[in-house]
Amino acid sequence: EAQVTQNPRYLITVTGKKLTVTCSQNMNHEYMSWYRQDPGLGLRQIYYSMNVEVTDKGDVPEGYKVSRKEKRNFPLILESPSPNQTSLYFCASREEGNEQFFGPGTRLTVL
Amino acid sequence: DAKTTQPTSMDCAEGRAANLPCNHSTISGNEYVYWYRQIHSQGPQYIIHGLKNNETNEMASLIITEDRKSSTLILPHATLRDTAVYYCIVTRPPISGGSNYKLTFGKGTLLTVNP
Repeated sequence: EAQVTQNPRYLITVTGKKLTVTCSQNMNHEYMSWYRQDPGLGLRQIYYSMNVEVTDKGDVPEGYKVSRKEKRNFPLILESPSPNQTSLYFCASREEGNEQFFGPGTRLTVL
Repeated sequence: DAKTTQPTSMDCAEGRAANLPCNHSTISGNEYVYWYRQIHSQGPQYIIHGLKNNETNEMASLIITEDRKSSTLILPHATLRDTAVYYCIVTRPPISGGSNYKLTFGKGTLLTVNP
């Protein structure tokens, strides 16, 4: 089944404790991206990647890092999480067509 | 990307057709109309897209007016599982091998299907 998976689905952590949210897709898509969703603000793009070793900032990249060492994986790294990064995070991927496939989401709470 | 206007919420009876409107009066010639939906806190799901002709797939139909300034998403036989926020997005399609492509989600329409 074609899908985008994210782990963990839920995470509660404390300020400053480094964490990684993994994202993996099994569709051999070149393009992947990360979004965060906050009430009243809609989905905002954090980072995107157009292929292996090619990444760039989206609209709200501050406080986040990404890497793309393999085509299928696109982890989101929070080196020093802060409470304003409490949010619902979605990974997405696409290939040639117009459709973006989204993962199930990761709900992060930073205390 | 063109701005879209959608009603905040709509109700529909189970088994009836749900017609969700979207206004996009500033749409330009190379922009498509896309519809996605998001069931409570799940990842957004693609439904359908079109340029100027009406489109139909297994999930829904998309009716675009001749002047392309508005469109309607039709769920022909709504079920309780269709309760979700529906987003109308107007944007240029992604270019193969091109630069960043992101979807800009507005507030959408909360469709509630009632038994």
